[in-house]
Amino acid sequence: SQQGEEDPQALSIQEGENATMNCSYKTSINNLQWYRQNSGRGLVHLILIRSNEREKHSGRLRVTLDTSKKSSSLLITASRAADTASYFCATDADSGYALNFGKGTSLLVTP
Amino acid sequence: GAVVSQHPSRVICKSGTSVKIECRSLDFQATTMFWYRQFPKQSLMLMATSNEGSKATYEQGVEKDKFLINHASLTLSTLTVTSAHPEDSSFYICSGQRETQYFGPGTRLLVL
Repeated sequence: SQQGEEDPQALSIQEGENATMNCSYKTSINNLQWYRQNSGRGLVHLILIRSNEREKHSGRLRVTLDTSKKSSSLLITASRAADTASYFCATDADSGYALNFGKGTSLLVTP
Repeated sequence: GAVVSQHPSRVICKSGTSVKIECRSLDFQATTMFWYRQFPKQSLMLMATSNEGSKATYEQGVEKDKFLINHASLTLSTLTVTSAHPEDSSFYICSGQRETQYFGPGTRLLVL
């Protein structure tokens, strides 16, 4: 069942600004992952953060995880028009389990 | 990294026909594969878990007789949408399980 919830549902910013998206979930997790999806295309894996990690960086991406609040955030710094896409968080209860996807945040970055 | 392919990438069919979608793990063996469905402007919803050599496990609300899943080998799972109707039009995405899940590029199904 769907358990992740992202906010905001939609976000519009200008190039160069930072974009922050949040994700909340309801049950215990093994990992939390963030994916990007361009309109009508497949998923692109961005970053995975394990339940015992609190923060992770990858290029312009910064992900935090607060298991006490059951929430995660994705920060994209110095955004570019090419970052325009939908962003989903996904959790799994354990290794080998299916992923539960959040509803997604639609990000629009204007030049 | 691990690669998962799907075929076809797009399919248009008439109402009442059946459509088969293939999901292949190209460079790893996947005992478990997952099938997800995504309606426009919505998130991915798990349809079923496909296990090699055994029956698939379907999520609540997903009709197993309508969405036939066959996982006959460690690198191939197929999803057949039987007697497709316009409401089955959607984006179908599979994933293969290794140390994490690797997603295929998706299949867009349009039922007229």
